[in-house]
Amino acid sequence: GAGVSQTPSNKVTEKGKYVELRCDPISGHTALYWYRQSLGQGPEFLIYFQGTGAADDSGLPNDRFFAVRPEGSVSTLKIQRTERGDSAVYLCASSLMDHNSPLHFGNGTRLTVT
Amino acid sequence: AQSVAQPEDQVNVAEGNPLTVKCTYSVSGNPYLFWYVQYPNRGLQFLLKYITGDNLVKGSYGFEAEFNKSQTSFHLKKPSALVSDSALYFCAPLLSGGYNKLIFGAGTRLAVHP
Repeated sequence: GAGVSQTPSNKVTEKGKYVELRCDPISGHTALYWYRQSLGQGPEFLIYFQGTGAADDSGLPNDRFFAVRPEGSVSTLKIQRTERGDSAVYLCASSLMDHNSPLHFGNGTRLTVT
Repeated sequence: AQSVAQPEDQVNVAEGNPLTVKCTYSVSGNPYLFWYVQYPNRGLQFLLKYITGDNLVKGSYGFEAEFNKSQTSFHLKKPSALVSDSALYFCAPLLSGGYNKLIFGAGTRLAVHP
């Protein structure tokens, strides 16, 4: 079946601009996660949704970052006033509800802020 | 503070030889531990997990990992390496109970030579 889909695969934007990154999880997966992977590093947790609500947003770096999941399926990560330090690969993952179920990752969106 | 360490940036092994990729962790409570693999131009994939029970856990593609509580280690192993095993491997303890908030190591690149 279809896996986690992320669009766009690449995004280049200028410093100060606003960007939206989209994630379409596996059908039936109630849990959705955003992670960020900087060059040469492992992924870092950003936010976790259970259904429509953000159950844990403790990994969001600052208030320029925001994510929504209004209907409990597709999620959008929004970054305002982008900075060069925001350049990274943004990974979305979904899973069944419990922590025993592994994460299924998308291929990520590579964001470059110039 | 909770942390994970993968002491080797790269591991080189000849095809057919056994391989080990090391991981040590520092987490509170009983750890839930995961290994994920990232192939070139593909998303992260779940490999195996330790939740409880037998210290030797088996996963996908012939990989296994040994949980050692006294040494706080969770080393990834395979008896006979394949060239197709060449990839980036991440060890990831679970930070919070109930959902997949993982802390990823920096990753170890495995290179299997013919």
